[in-house]
Amino acid sequence: AQSVTQPDIHITVSEGASLELRCNYSYGATPYLFWYVQSPGQGLQLLLKYFSGDTLVQGIKGFEAEFKRSQSSFNLRKPSVHWSDAAEYFCAVGASNNDMRFGAGTRLTVKP
Amino acid sequence: DAGVIQSPRHEVTEMGQEVTLRCKPISGHDYLFWYRQTMMRGLELLIYFNNNVPIDDSGMPEDRFSAKMPNASFSTLKIQPSEPRDSAVYFCASSPDADTQYFGPGTRLTVL
Repeated sequence: AQSVTQPDIHITVSEGASLELRCNYSYGATPYLFWYVQSPGQGLQLLLKYFSGDTLVQGIKGFEAEFKRSQSSFNLRKPSVHWSDAAEYFCAVGASNNDMRFGAGTRLTVKP
Repeated sequence: DAGVIQSPRHEVTEMGQEVTLRCKPISGHDYLFWYRQTMMRGLELLIYFNNNVPIDDSGMPEDRFSAKMPNASFSTLKIQPSEPRDSAVYFCASSPDADTQYFGPGTRLTVL
C-alpha cells in the first residue's frame, strides 16, 4: 500500500536561511509526487509535482524538489526562506491525481 | 475564476443534528474531491466524483456520511446524525484532469 512519511513535525529556520523538508514514500511503482502548502485558515495550494522526466522539479514561490528513486524520497528545498513561507507543508503520493495519500505535514516557523 | 467555494466556513452544531456542507467547484473541472483534516488522522480523502458520478467512496467513515453531486457546479457532504468525533476541517477540491487539485478554503465543523 502506498504511504508517505514526513519525519519532521515542526521545523524552525531563520529568515534568509536555506530550507529542506523531507518526504519519504512507499509505493510499488513510480508514483505521482506532490508538495502542497497550507497557510493558516486556508486550503492547500500546489507547490510542485513530479510525474516523470527530470528528477529536479521547479515549483512556485522559489521552491524545488528532487525525486530520488533509490532513496524513495522527494525532498522540498528553498535556498532562502522568507517570513511569508511560514505555513504547513504536505507531501503527497499517488498512482494518479485521484488516488493521493498525504503525509502528516511539516509545520515551518520562520524566525526574523 | 473565483476558485473552489465552500460554505459555510464555520459550523457549530450539537450532537445529533444534521450538518450539510456545500461546495462549488471551479467551472469546467470534471473531478470533485471531499477531504477531512484532523490533528489525529491528518488529511483523508472521503470520496471523489468524476462527471458528477461518485467513483470512490471507500474513505467515507460510516453510513452517517453521505455525499451528492446533483450537477457539475454543486456538491454536498451531509452528516446525519453528527457526533463530536466528526469535528474537523472539511475540504472540497476540484480538478480538470488527472493532474492538479485545487482546494477550497475549508469548512471548520465543531460538533458539541
